[in-house]
Amino acid sequence: QQQVKQSPQSLIVQKGGIPIINCAYENTAFDYFPWYQQFPGKGPALLIAIRPDVSEKKEGRFTISFNKSAKQFSLHIMDSQPGDSATYFCAAGRLNSNYQLIWGAGTKLIIKP
Amino acid sequence: NAGVTQTPKFRILKIGQSMTLQCTQDMNHNYMYWYRQDPGMGLKLIYYSVGAGITDKGEVPNGYNVSRSTTEDFPLRLELAAPSQTSVYFCASSYTSFSGGYGYTFGSGTRLTVV
Repeated sequence: QQQVKQSPQSLIVQKGGIPIINCAYENTAFDYFPWYQQFPGKGPALLIAIRPDVSEKKEGRFTISFNKSAKQFSLHIMDSQPGDSATYFCAAGRLNSNYQLIWGAGTKLIIKP
Repeated sequence: NAGVTQTPKFRILKIGQSMTLQCTQDMNHNYMYWYRQDPGMGLKLIYYSVGAGITDKGEVPNGYNVSRSTTEDFPLRLELAAPSQTSVYFCASSYTSFSGGYGYTFGSGTRLTVV
């Protein structure tokens, strides 16, 4: 029940395309869903996050779509650029907790020029 | 403002040796974490701390120990290193965000190889 399942494991997209990364969770107590971006040799960094009271959140070219009934959420990257090539992690947590996050396994994204 | 600083960046240990991975944050965050990252396996929580003097086990604590004597420092101790502990180790601290959620600030990691 504590798992967050992320897919695909890797993804190659042409520049300008819209990569989509999906995550699914089981624990309905989760109420906070962030996405992190990790470049090689660096630690992950918070990219965008959503709470279940909204179905979509946009920040620049990054959009989270959230489907509460299906217990799924996804990251879309509009007009993708080679600089977006990184590993992306979804996570889930509970706001009234000790700030712990349950992490997906990660998606290695490559944007081809 | 340095954020979260980890040392060393790389280390090779022989089986049975011990070492301490250092982690320091200058953001006055109460919550700190140690994760290990293995290829294709995401981040696994080793230990966490909710404040000075308070620590607790995460998902994969065996073979590790931590202490938290100050808000700033959260070292991770490996005793009797084993090849299974070859990994990249990340320290993080957490903060609340304006949107009402919370984020993690990660260090740049320590790549450990046990041979």
